[in-house]
This record gives sequence, structure tokens and C-alpha cells, in this order.
Amino acid sequence: SAVISQKPSRDICQRGTSLTIQCQVDSQVTMMFWYRQQPGQSLTLIATANQGSEATYESGFVIDKFPISRPNLTFSTLTVSNMSPEDSSIYLCSVAGPDETQYFGPGTRLLVL
Amino acid sequence: KQEVTQIPAALSVPEGENLVLNCSFTDSAIYNLQWFRQDPGKGLTSLLLIQSSQREQTSGRLNASLDKSSGRSTLYIAASQPGDSATYLCAVKPFRGSTLGRLYFGRGTQLTVWP
Repeated sequence: SAVISQKPSRDICQRGTSLTIQCQVDSQVTMMFWYRQQPGQSLTLIATANQGSEATYESGFVIDKFPISRPNLTFSTLTVSNMSPEDSSIYLCSVAGPDETQYFGPGTRLLVL
Repeated sequence: KQEVTQIPAALSVPEGENLVLNCSFTDSAIYNLQWFRQDPGKGLTSLLLIQSSQREQTSGRLNASLDKSSGRSTLYIAASQPGDSATYLCAVKPFRGSTLGRLYFGRGTQLTVWP
């Protein structure tokens, strides 16, 4: 299994500001995934972060809005830039274990005022 | 594009009942299907993983089945308990060749088990 931690666990931010979310995994993984869960909605993949290369973004998500860093095989950050109330969501980091099970962090709950 | 639907959206039952949560998906070319539990204010906890070649998986009081050809999976919870109250999410991983690790999620079934 994989143990994933995220910081911060929650935050309240003003519109127009940016927030960086950290994700730490207890083992080395090739790919890390960032998901968003808007209120009452399902989880949606934002991007896939590979160590040593640019992140791959899903349709509807762009690097300027959600820049991602992946400095090593156990750590990644997601920044939510120039926030608006529509960015209020839960942001989750995820990795795939060697048994193909997908593991998720506890999430970062973001409220933008 | 893969679409995942979960029925019902919400379910409220008395303790002790056996219940079935349903998940359907539109594209049968899946690599695996996973059931998760999400407690309020918490992340996702993996419950069961079914590979595309398998028909079912069991863990304790939970049993998940997969009928890939019809695009359906069910999660059976036996002898429900108040501690089972949570949102249950179904997710499918497309067959290898697409974005590795990408999951498509349903909106979940919010389960309440009252004593």
C-alpha cells in the first residue's frame, strides 16, 4: 500500500490569490495524479505529474491555472492560481500501488471567498 | 468518453439490512474497477479492486461483482452497521493505452445506516 499526506488539509483564501498544495508519498512512484472534487460532483482528473518531465493536463485544465511541480519520486505540488469562488473544491493527490490499487491522500479542502 | 453512473444517489437503511449499490459504465474496455469509501471531511479509502478478468472480489462483509460485457458492477454490503455510513464511489480504469492510472468516477452513493 501507499501512504499519502497532503498539506494544508484545508484553507480559506481570498479571490485572486494562489495556494500551493503539497503531496508526499511514503514510497517512490513514477506517476502522481491530481484530482478535483467540486461540491456534489464526482472526482475529475486535473493532471498527471511525472518526475523529470512536464505534467500532462486533462481537457479543461491548463498549466497557467494549475502549475505542478514534481521535483522527486515522492513529492509533488499543485498550485491553484488566481483563485475564484469556482475553485472551491477538494483537491486530492493519488498514486497507483504495485497491486494496481489507486491510493488517495486525505485531500485539501479549499474555500475561496 | 467513459461515463460512470451510480444508483441510487442516496440510501438510508436500518442497521442489519443487506444492501446493494449499483455502478454502470459506458465503455466495457476497462482495465479494472475499484470501489472506494469516502467519509465526510476525509479522503478516499479503497475497499475492493476487481481486475477486468475477474468476476468478483470479497472483503469481510463486502462483495463486489463485475459484469464487464454489460458494463455493470455491484457492491453488496451484508448486515449493515452505522459505521458503514459514508459515500461509496465506483471508479473504472480504462484499458492500458490511455492515460495510465486515470480513473473515471461516478458521483457516489451516500449511505446512511441508522441504529
